[in-house]
Amino acid sequence: EDQVTQSPEALRLQEGESSSLNCSYTVSGLRGLFWYRQDPGKGPEFLFTLYSAGEEKEKERLKATLTKKESFLHITAPKPEDSATYLCAVQLLTGNQFYFGTGTSLTVIP
Amino acid sequence: KAGVTQTPRYLIKTRGQQVTLSCSPISGHRSVSWYQQTPGQGLQFLFEYFSETQRNKGNFPGRFSGRQFSNSRSEMNVSTLELGDSALYLCASSLLATGLRNTQYFGPGTRLTVL
Repeated sequence: EDQVTQSPEALRLQEGESSSLNCSYTVSGLRGLFWYRQDPGKGPEFLFTLYSAGEEKEKERLKATLTKKESFLHITAPKPEDSATYLCAVQLLTGNQFYFGTGTSLTVIP
Repeated sequence: KAGVTQTPRYLIKTRGQQVTLSCSPISGHRSVSWYQQTPGQGLQFLFEYFSETQRNKGNFPGRFSGRQFSNSRSEMNVSTLELGDSALYLCASSLLATGLRNTQYFGPGTRLTVL
């Protein structure tokens, strides 16, 4: 069964304390892996797409990496405004839908 | 370029009623997908439309239906509302059908509360 698991469920960091969020997947064939940020009561905001193992993408304090089994979202020196829920999703080679993980709720304390 | 828009943003209904939600995709995008988001289940896929045709459907009862118009705008309908239908309903648009490499962009969602 195709599955996407994110860990940890919740993460509290001090401002400036770097960390990583994990998204592991067991799917029949991966077309792409996506990271989104979601603020409370709003729709997910697109961050990154990764297509191949070894690929990396960066944006400000965020860096996403992909292996054959998982993806990491590294947050360097986070700020309070980085507080949000981070979602990962996979698009399969077959079929026409995205599968989402349940997200990691990140809180950055000043 | 304007993003994905959804109307209304908030709805309160009572059990047994029906509701219609609307989504306007990003200009030029032809694929629209709908998701239900609840605290316990996360984002659950409802269905995807491309060029007015339903391409894929998630595991939801027949009370949930949708359609897409020639201008790519989409509507989602839920009939005979149940308490468990309370959720944030999200619409996502993409340039191509989701069987190809492309990215889904989400609207702000419609918060449905069923009393």
